[in-house]
Amino acid sequence: DARVTQTPRDKVTEMGQEVTMRCQPILGHNTVFWYRQTMMQGLELLAYFRNRAPLDDSGMPKDRFSAEMPDATLATLKIQPSEPRDSAVYFCASGSGGAEAFFGQGTRLTVV
Amino acid sequence: EDQVTQSPEALRLQEGESSSLNCSYTVSGLRGLFWYRQDPGKGPEFLFTLYSAGEEKEKERLKATLTKKESFLHITAPKPEDSATYLCAVRLSGYSTLTFGKGTMLLVSP
Repeated sequence: DARVTQTPRDKVTEMGQEVTMRCQPILGHNTVFWYRQTMMQGLELLAYFRNRAPLDDSGMPKDRFSAEMPDATLATLKIQPSEPRDSAVYFCASGSGGAEAFFGQGTRLTVV
Repeated sequence: EDQVTQSPEALRLQEGESSSLNCSYTVSGLRGLFWYRQDPGKGPEFLFTLYSAGEEKEKERLKATLTKKESFLHITAPKPEDSATYLCAVRLSGYSTLTFGKGTMLLVSP
């Protein structure tokens, strides 16, 4: 059963702490997306990789967010330092070519 | 500015009461319109992709249609298990990313 796997599912942290979210894309998919979902803004694109290379991270606050793909089976999204306004659900999605993207179950982040 | 707008924001139906959800877009160079379903606490689940005006796709009680300015998701004789948030998204020429609308929250009562 091919699916995108995200860890952790839930994370509660204190303001100022570093947060790392991980994503295992579907095997064989060459594009990976990070989205953030809030009630106010809906789903917003943070970063996009193709063949492990970052192609678009214009939606990401550069001073505190970073996204990487150390290898084809792992994508990471890091926030340092975290702030209460970062509280949201973070989704990873993967796809192949120009086809649809498949989403993971998300990481619910709460920064207190 | 490219924009995707979904209406209504929320819709309450009785079981068996058919209706339609709307997704209008003001983008240039559409390279695909996507419908997703999202259940509470879950990630969006892919439903349909439409590429050109006049195209239709069906899956069980759902049918998606596309014109040059909007897409409709028709729900025929809905059941309580169809309750979810329905999201539409567009892909533009030259891009692989999806731009999402804010969704329609559908509640179907027995």
